[in-house]
Amino acid sequence: EVQVVESGGGLVQPGASLRLSCAASGFTFSGYWMHWVRQVPGKGLVWVARINSVGTYTDHADSVKGRFTISRDNARNTLYLQMNSLRTEDTALYYCARGASTWNDEGGLDHWGQGTLVTVSS
Amino acid sequence: QPVLTQSSSASASLGSSVKLTCTLNSRHNNYVIAWHQQHPGKAPRYLMRVEISGTYNKGSGVPDRFSGSCSGADRYLTISNLHSEDEADYYCETWDGDSHVFGAGTTVTVL
Repeated sequence: EVQVVESGGGLVQPGASLRLSCAASGFTFSGYWMHWVRQVPGKGLVWVARINSVGTYTDHADSVKGRFTISRDNARNTLYLQMNSLRTEDTALYYCARGASTWNDEGGLDHWGQGTLVTVSS
Repeated sequence: QPVLTQSSSASASLGSSVKLTCTLNSRHNNYVIAWHQQHPGKAPRYLMRVEISGTYNKGSGVPDRFSGSCSGADRYLTISNLHSEDEADYYCETWDGDSHVFGAGTTVTVL
């Protein structure tokens, strides 16, 4: 069974850093693009970042570019999101999701974790 | 970047059908999309991918009463024989060269 489980969320002050992790199991992790998506409670889904299967290519949404960095460790079947210079508007539930197995990430996100909550507040 | 437009809400009676629409902006009107379901307080669940031909490919375990189709820039999700558990938010998603994009979501109420 495909599973992705996020961890690392918490309450931090503006300007602080936090690293989220996503542990994957039940599939060949190194064969898939992986993504982070966030959602403010009561609002819609917002795509944050993606990384290719081997970790050599990444994209980030404009709203987090330069502050957040997606990475992965295929030996540990784990996805990461390093979040620096956090702002109050980054407060959200952060989901890890599996992308496509194609070279160009052509496909929807087909398995989602339960999310980890990040709260940025003074 | 693609833009996806969804109605904010839809409702239908138990046992009837509802058809949700996701409209692509004109510049990206030939894009493939995916549909996701999200119950309150739960993680999203992938439902299906809808091709520009109108064919669709569902995720594992998605009931037969969920189907997809398209017409021009519109992509549809039809839920037949509505069950109470179909009451949820439904999001469409598409992807471009450097990002993925979600619609704002449609809240389905089962009357």
